[in-house]
Amino acid sequence: SQTIHQWPATLVQPVGSPLSLECTVEGTSNPNLYWYRQAAGRGLQLLFYSVGIGQISSEVPQNLSASRPQDRQFILSSKKLLLSDSGFYLCARQREGRNEQFFGPGTRLTVL
Amino acid sequence: GQQLNQSPQSMFIQEGEDVSMNCTSSSIFNTWLWYKQDPGEGPVLLIALYKAGELTSNGRLTAQFGITRKDSFLNISASIPSDVGIYFCAGRGNTGNQFYFGTGTSLTVIP
Repeated sequence: SQTIHQWPATLVQPVGSPLSLECTVEGTSNPNLYWYRQAAGRGLQLLFYSVGIGQISSEVPQNLSASRPQDRQFILSSKKLLLSDSGFYLCARQREGRNEQFFGPGTRLTVL
Repeated sequence: GQQLNQSPQSMFIQEGEDVSMNCTSSSIFNTWLWYKQDPGEGPVLLIALYKAGELTSNGRLTAQFGITRKDSFLNISASIPSDVGIYFCAGRGNTGNQFYFGTGTSLTVIP
C-alpha cells in the first residue's frame, strides 16, 4: 500500500518561532507531493507542490517554504511563525499514473 | 489559485433521506474527484471520474462527470449518521500538476 505519514500530529508554537513539518510516503517512487493548509475545517489552500527531489513550486507568497531532500520526503518550514499560520496542514501525493490525490492524516498547528 | 464553486455550503437532513451536492468550474477539467473529511483527519477519496458523462457508484454514493466537463454531482442515498462530515470536490485540467478544490459541503444527519 502507499502510505503517507505526517509528523507531528499536533503542534503549538509561539509567534516568531521556527517550524518544520515532515511528510514521508511509502510504497511509491518519485511521487508528486503537495502541501495544503486548511483553515477552520473548510477549503484547502495549495501551498507547494513538488514533482521531484529539489523541485518545488510555490502557489502562494508567504513566510513558509518547502523542501524535498529525498524522493519520499517533503518538508514544510518557516523561519518565523505568524498567528495567521495556524491551521491544519495536509500533505498529499498523487497516485502514480492517475489523476488521483491521497492525503495524509494532517498536522494541527496552533500559533500563540 | 482557482477555486471551484460547491453547493450547498451546508445541509441538515434526516436519517434515511437522499443528499445531492454539486460543483462547478469556469474551466474544463479532465478529472473530477470527490472526498469526505471527518473532523481532525485528512480527506478520503470517495470517487474518481475521468470521462464526460461518466456515472460511478461507490456503495450508496453516486457521482457524475458533467457533460460540459465544467461540473460534477455527488448523490448519497438513504443517509446514515456516519455520513456526517465535509464533502469536497476537486478537479484537474489537462495542464499543470495542481488539483483545484471546492469550498466544501458540510453534511449533518439527524437520527
